[in-house]
Amino acid sequence: SQQGEEDPQALSIQEGENATMNCSYKTSINNLQWYRQNSGRGLVHLILIRSNEREKHSGRLRVTLDTSKKSSSLLITASRAADTASYFCATDAPANAGGTSYGKLTFGQGTILTVHP
Amino acid sequence: KAGVTQTPRYLIKTRGQQVTLSCSPISGHRSVSWYQQTPGQGLQFLFEYFSETQRNKGNFPGRFSGRQFSNSRSEMNVSTLELGDSALYLCASSLAAVSYNSPLHFGNGTRLTVT
Repeated sequence: SQQGEEDPQALSIQEGENATMNCSYKTSINNLQWYRQNSGRGLVHLILIRSNEREKHSGRLRVTLDTSKKSSSLLITASRAADTASYFCATDAPANAGGTSYGKLTFGQGTILTVHP
Repeated sequence: KAGVTQTPRYLIKTRGQQVTLSCSPISGHRSVSWYQQTPGQGLQFLFEYFSETQRNKGNFPGRFSGRQFSNSRSEMNVSTLELGDSALYLCASSLAAVSYNSPLHFGNGTRLTVT
């Protein structure tokens, strides 16, 4: 089953606009990660935010994490046509108390972002 | 540094056959994970290997198996293929000894079609 639920499922915007995607999850986590996938290709890691962090920036990306609400958001500012892709949140949850997930990330269903030139 | 390499890129098999997929991780990465991606179920974790040991396994039938070699290269095998096994199979490698706070680096996947 999917731990992460993403919203919206699809987002269509114009170049230059900002895009915001939301992710909710169910269990305690070590960290939350965002990945991008271009059609039929592998996933590319965008940003990782630890459970004790609230906000993180990387270039045009801004990620927030609210562990009390078990939610995260990804903001892409000044979108470009090249940002068109599917975006997934993934949670790294401990397999046991204080433990690691041993490579297991639980992915959301993703948000399909289309940026029109 | 070369990325994660998966071979073959595309594969067409018939029901009942078996298939082996290969993955070469980024140099120096010792953790290799496998994921299945389908339109209906999304991305699902298959298993993870570190230093030739399987440390974690997802909820897949025993027809799905894997292994890791001493050079960290990994293979996964699916026996007695079913139509529902048609999917994009993704391999990912990680630098850290544990996955805590270490992102995954994915290959471009193997697209398996079962007819």
